[in-house]
Amino acid sequence: AQSVTQPDIHITVSEGASLELRCNYSYGATPYLFWYVQSPGQGLQLLLKYFSGDTLVQGIKGFEAEFKRSQSSFNLRKPSVHWSDAAEYFCAVGGFQKLVFGTGTRLLVSP
Amino acid sequence: DGGITQSPKYLFRKEGQNVTLSCEQNLNHDAMYWYRQDPGQGLRLIYYSQIVNDFQKGDIAEGYSVSREKKESFPLTVTSAQKNPTAFYLCASTSSGTATDTQYFGPGTRLTVL
Repeated sequence: AQSVTQPDIHITVSEGASLELRCNYSYGATPYLFWYVQSPGQGLQLLLKYFSGDTLVQGIKGFEAEFKRSQSSFNLRKPSVHWSDAAEYFCAVGGFQKLVFGTGTRLLVSP
Repeated sequence: DGGITQSPKYLFRKEGQNVTLSCEQNLNHDAMYWYRQDPGQGLRLIYYSQIVNDFQKGDIAEGYSVSREKKESFPLTVTSAQKNPTAFYLCASTSSGTATDTQYFGPGTRLTVL
């Protein structure tokens, strides 16, 4: 069965600094990988997704993620964080008919 | 604008009562999903439906029931058999229900049992 691990529960980054959120997955076949963002008390919004091809994918709001099969990872990055990026971020892997989500990483942005 | 609506935003229930959470979409999507979100546990799948009049149990279906009589509607009933129903509930939909589909989420309903 597929699973997703997000090892960091909370991360604090200074505004303007770079960001990397970690995601490791377990899946027997070619994974379909997603990153979603959730603002407090709201639903989730898709940031980006990877199915095949170029292992570096670009998303909305200046985010990107790199798929590394050898490490079973799909880490999310942003070169310069803005205060509005403070939210919870979820990595997910797509299996048959459904998604499996990680437990999320809460991003705090300090001035 | 197309999207998913959930109502109510906040819901309070006394122990022993059944409550129904509404989820409506006007995206013309075939598949719909219900998730439960608890702090530190991410999203867990309760039920999903890929076509009208058909639905499947997710990972934590006990104490919940659903119906899918119309394409645009997928209500979730939290029954008195659900031992710990206080949580944030999210509804989502996808165009066809395949693994590559983007899931579109509603704004959620926060259920509190008094």
